[in-house]
Amino acid sequence: GQQVMQIPQYQHVQEGEDFTTYCNSSTTLSNIQWYKQRPGGHPVFLIQLVKSGEVKKQKRLTFQFGEAKKNSSLHITATQTTDVGTYFCAGRQGGSEKLVFGKGTKLTVNP
Amino acid sequence: NAGVTQTPKFQVLKTGQSMTLQCAQDMNHEYMSWYRQDPGMGLRLIHYSVGAGITDQGEVPNGYNVSRSTTEDFPLRLLSAAPSQTSVYFCASRPDRGPNYGYTFGSGTRLTVV
Repeated sequence: GQQVMQIPQYQHVQEGEDFTTYCNSSTTLSNIQWYKQRPGGHPVFLIQLVKSGEVKKQKRLTFQFGEAKKNSSLHITATQTTDVGTYFCAGRQGGSEKLVFGKGTKLTVNP
Repeated sequence: NAGVTQTPKFQVLKTGQSMTLQCAQDMNHEYMSWYRQDPGMGLRLIHYSVGAGITDQGEVPNGYNVSRSTTEDFPLRLLSAAPSQTSVYFCASRPDRGPNYGYTFGSGTRLTVV
């Protein structure tokens, strides 16, 4: 079945450092989404990428979708303590509604 | 607009008991899904629905039933609770059109089976 792998599992940074999490799928994806979950909270949708090679930015966050549509990355520039949480990627195959999540990357930021 | 409402927030069950986790959304979203979240396992899809009367299985459907009689409600039934079903359960919904196709999640139900 469809699998979405995400690395690293944990990342600890000093405030102001950059952070990147990577997502890889065993199959070609029709689209990929990114979510953020704060400690004790629920996942919150950040963005969706659809096109091969697509790059989208949200302030300090940069999202990329690979050319082969099998991998994606989220990069945060100059992390802040408000960036703390677990970041999940989630992908779909073809026209399926099944959204399969990676296991997430837990980010902690030392002030 | 309440968004996605899940009840109860916490529940303790004995092994073998059955129960229904409630999920309701007031955004007229066509698509709804149930996920379970376990430490280190991310979110795993249990069942999903693409509209009233239409449901399908996700990655981990065994031991769970769903139905979708209305657009608003998508209850999840545990038939005979087992300790392995101890988890946090999230219900989510999304619209079928528009620029934002992401899921809106409820605040979750924390279930413990003893």
